[in-house]
Amino acid sequence: AQSVTQLGSHVSVSEGALVLLRCNYSSSVPPYLFWYVQYPNQGLQLLLKYTSAATLVKGINGFEAEFKKSETSFHLTKPSAHMSDAAEYFCAVRNQAGTALIFGKGTTLSVSS
Amino acid sequence: DAGVTQSPTHLIKTRGQQVTLRCSPKSGHDTVSWYQQALGQGPQFIFQYYEEEERQRGNFPDRFSGHQFPNYSSELNVNALLLGDSALYLCASSLGSGTGFQETQYFGPGTRLLVL
Repeated sequence: AQSVTQLGSHVSVSEGALVLLRCNYSSSVPPYLFWYVQYPNQGLQLLLKYTSAATLVKGINGFEAEFKKSETSFHLTKPSAHMSDAAEYFCAVRNQAGTALIFGKGTTLSVSS
Repeated sequence: DAGVTQSPTHLIKTRGQQVTLRCSPKSGHDTVSWYQQALGQGPQFIFQYYEEEERQRGNFPDRFSGHQFPNYSSELNVNALLLGDSALYLCASSLGSGTGFQETQYFGPGTRLLVL
């Protein structure tokens, strides 16, 4: 069965600092992995996705993630945090049937000036 | 190009009542999935509809049912509401295929349901 674990329910950084949000996955088949962002009182917006092409995936708003099979990880990074990056971030893996996304519990990113 | 839309945005019901939530998919999409997001949790898959049929169901009781219309819009119905059904209900649309969705799921803003 597929699952994801997001390490750290809350991450705080200063504006301009590196953002690193951690996600580890478990999958019995080659995984399709996603990062979504959720701003307060809104739905989910896709940041980026990994679908077995390049292991380094670039997304919107300067975010990128690297797929590491040996570590079963798909961590999200951004070189320089902006105040507008403050939000909830979810890592997800597609289920084996290809019909649903299985989400982690989320990581809240706070950015201070 | 309109994205995924959901109605209503907020809803308050009492225990035992029934509720219907609505979703219109992104233009060109034919597959609709529903998720429940409890406070402080990640979304959980309820079910997916494709070609007006329920393609797959998550671990939710039969009180949760759905429907997809010929124009691909969808409804989520919940009967005999419990306090624990209070959550944000998210609809996602994608472009389906015969064997499973090959495209990304795009989410609507959600309907926040409060059960008192």
